[in-house]
Amino acid sequence: TQLLEQSPQFLSIQEGENLTVYCNSSSVFSSLQWYRQEPGEGPVLLVTVVTGGEVKKLKRLTFQFGDARKDSSLHITAAQPGDTGLYLCAGNSGGYQKVTFGTGTKLQVIP
Amino acid sequence: DARVTQTPRHKVTEMGQEVTMRCQPILGHNTVFWYRQTMMQGLELLAYFRNRAPLDDSGMPKDRFSAEMPDATLATLKIQPSEPRDSAVYFCASGPDRENVNEQFFGPGTRLTVL
Repeated sequence: TQLLEQSPQFLSIQEGENLTVYCNSSSVFSSLQWYRQEPGEGPVLLVTVVTGGEVKKLKRLTFQFGDARKDSSLHITAAQPGDTGLYLCAGNSGGYQKVTFGTGTKLQVIP
Repeated sequence: DARVTQTPRHKVTEMGQEVTMRCQPILGHNTVFWYRQTMMQGLELLAYFRNRAPLDDSGMPKDRFSAEMPDATLATLKIQPSEPRDSAVYFCASGPDRENVNEQFFGPGTRLTVL
């Protein structure tokens, strides 16, 4: 069974601070997705990374896929209250296999 | 704006009753997933369909749960009989059929409470 460990589990920061969330595994993934989930809603896809070492930016969010495609990070610059939510990484091990979801990081940005 | 729809959004029932949850995937998506989310367990995969055929339902309690896709526009998840431990939020997700890239688009969920 493939596992995706996310750290930290919980994060509470002040508006304007920077933060990084990590997603780690001992398995290699063919692609990895990041999702954000707000209370009472389903997860929303933010980004997909496919190539080892790939970096993608979405406004103040920067996503990186590890060179070995076993880990990923999400960096948020100048966090805002609207960034509050549960961040989930999800890895695809290849072909049409099911996705493995990470344990999640719950972020709270205090105004 | 294409979205996954789920009904009902909320369901309160008594132990032993049958519960049916419905999902309409995004038109053109070939993969459909059912997940259960709880505070303790996080997001658990219950069933996974590709082109309406079940690919993986290893996470689903077979004695009481069943998942089907009667057609490409409808997926159902049934619990019979329901138990209090089934209380959770159930999500349906669909995705385009892309090898090695399994992006999923989630519905708003059905919040189930079994008394």
